[in-house]
This record gives sequence, structure tokens and C-alpha cells, in this order.
Amino acid sequence: DIQMAQSPATLSASEGDRVTITCRASQSISSWLAWYQQKPGKAPKLLIYKASSLESGVPSRFSGSGSGTEFTLTISSLQPDDFATYYCQQYNSYPYTFGQGTKLEI
Amino acid sequence: EVQLLESGGTLVQPGGSLRLSCAASGFAFSNYAMTWVRQAPGKGLECLSMVGVNGAATPYVDSVKGRFTISRDNSKSALYLQMNSLRVEDTAIYYCAKGTMVSGRHFFDYWGPGTLVTVSS
Repeated sequence: DIQMAQSPATLSASEGDRVTITCRASQSISSWLAWYQQKPGKAPKLLIYKASSLESGVPSRFSGSGSGTEFTLTISSLQPDDFATYYCQQYNSYPYTFGQGTKLEI
Repeated sequence: EVQLLESGGTLVQPGGSLRLSCAASGFAFSNYAMTWVRQAPGKGLECLSMVGVNGAATPYVDSVKGRFTISRDNSKSALYLQMNSLRVEDTAIYYCAKGTMVSGRHFFDYWGPGTLVTVSS
């Protein structure tokens, strides 16, 4: 199975900050990577697919980049609604696997 | 509007069985792959398997292989997860999610609110 490693595990930031979360795959997954946001007690929400494609309705302050084994999710200017946990997921090969999550907190 | 609603979660004893259901609406269910993803309390996400439009399942994650079976009924717009030989470590919120295919690969664009399965004696 492909292992996904996210860093950092926890990120402390303030409103207006620019933040970056990194996701590394144990082998190349081309651009088959998605990013999800999850708030407490809620289901995950798709933000980015195919490494850099923004899901419809997601604010443009979210962006994704990378290919192969290294990927990043960037939030250009943090808003109060962005404090949540973020997961990357590879969908290059089965079983699809997630990173362990990055908790973004104030 | 796409809606997914899981049901069937409950308290079950170790070794028991349970079938989860996911009712889908707001999209052409038969045209999309579907998946089950679970999340143990305070933990991350684990994709169990995915079922294609024709009912064929992708390989299961090792932790449930041989015990869980994913299936679908396109006539009812329903997704199922049959869980046998349940273990304490299967305790989790179980989400169903809709797969969207781009360039032959699937990502998950809509998720249900989840149903809680607790395995305990």
C-alpha cells in the first residue's frame, strides 16, 4: 500500500497568515492527489483534486501543487472558517490511502 | 442537490455482524462509483473499498479483508457494507462517499454525515 505522510501534524497560525501543509507519498502517484478539510463532528469536504484543481465552490485562497511524491496545500490568507483538520489522499492505486491529518489551530 | 445518508450503525458485540446502508439522491447513482471510508474516534480516515458502476469491488484494505463486503443496488440508489466478525478496533464512524472519475481515477466529492458503529461487549 502507498503510505502518505503529512507535515506538520499540528500547525498554529493566525487569521490572515499564509500557511502550507506538505504531503509526501511513499512512491510516485503522479498527480492523483486530493485534499480534504474536516471540521469536528462533520464529514470531510473536498477542496482540491488532481493535485491542483480547485473543487467548485471552494474559495480561491486554497491552492494545491506538486506531482510525483511531494505535494503542498497552501491557504493564502487564513480566515476564521479555515481552522480545521486537513487530509491528503492518494487515488493512484488501491487501496486509496490518506495522510494522518494536519490540525490547523489558532 | 446530492444527498447521502448512512444508516445501520449501532452497538454490536465482538464477533457480531452488521449491515450498513447508504441512501443516495440528487444524482444518477448508477453512473458513479461509491466508497466506504471510516474514522476511528480521534483518528484519521481509512478507505475500505470502492464499488464500481457495475458492482465490482476494488481490493479491500488489509484491516477488513475477508470480513467486510461492499455492494450496491442501483435500482434502489443504495450502497451497502456487510460487516462480519466485528472487532473492537472496527469501532468508528462510517462514511459513504460518491466517487467522481477524472482521467480514469476516482476522488470523492460528496460525503454523507456518517453512522457510528461501536463494537464492545
